[in-house]
Amino acid sequence: QLQLQESGPGLVKPSETLPLTCTVSGGSISSSSYYWGWIRQPPGKGLEWIGTINYSGSTYSNPSLKSRVNISVDTSKNQFSLKLSSVTAADTAVYFCARRPVGLDQFDYWGQGTLVTVSS
Amino acid sequence: AIQMTQSPSSLSASVGDRVTITCRANQGIRNDLGWYQQKPGKAPKLLIYAASSLQSGVPSRFSGSRSGTDFTLTISSLQPEDFATYYCLQDYNYPFTFGQGTKLEIK
Repeated sequence: QLQLQESGPGLVKPSETLPLTCTVSGGSISSSSYYWGWIRQPPGKGLEWIGTINYSGSTYSNPSLKSRVNISVDTSKNQFSLKLSSVTAADTAVYFCARRPVGLDQFDYWGQGTLVTVSS
Repeated sequence: AIQMTQSPSSLSASVGDRVTITCRANQGIRNDLGWYQQKPGKAPKLLIYAASSLQSGVPSRFSGSRSGTDFTLTISSLQPEDFATYYCLQDYNYPFTFGQGTKLEIK
């Protein structure tokens, strides 16, 4: 059974970089059949797509986040990561990682989510 | 970015009711839309992909349809476990965009 697990600091200071990692178990991140993505949800609000990466490192990110987003993949560890720079309180959210099969094109497996609070 | 306008934002219904939730795209997106169910404190769960295809393991009381740029999620007979928030997501092009969500509550 495929599982995704987000990990990272629960608290980040304003202007710093938010680092998160998603560890995939029960399946290989190296498959060309999948994209891997990050989605976030501010407390009490809706969902926002952050960005997507595939096994070869091709990335797409939300222009609303301007150039603050960096998504990378480490196939040796079966992980992919998100770095969000210059964070503000508006970046406080639950961050989810998820899998998107090529062809299905929607997110079929999700991590449980991790709350990241931006505060000094 | 494609805008997805979801309605209603909230809905009260009873067990056994038939309910519909709509998402309208501000441009054509073919059938490139999915529907998700989210319960408090949980990750979203994929219900429908490609506008009308039922995800494996999802009960058949859930269905999706498309008319032009309007997409509908229908729950044919509400069950107690269906009370949740529902979102649409367009995957026609980047950036992917979600609807604002519909909170389905017990009447």
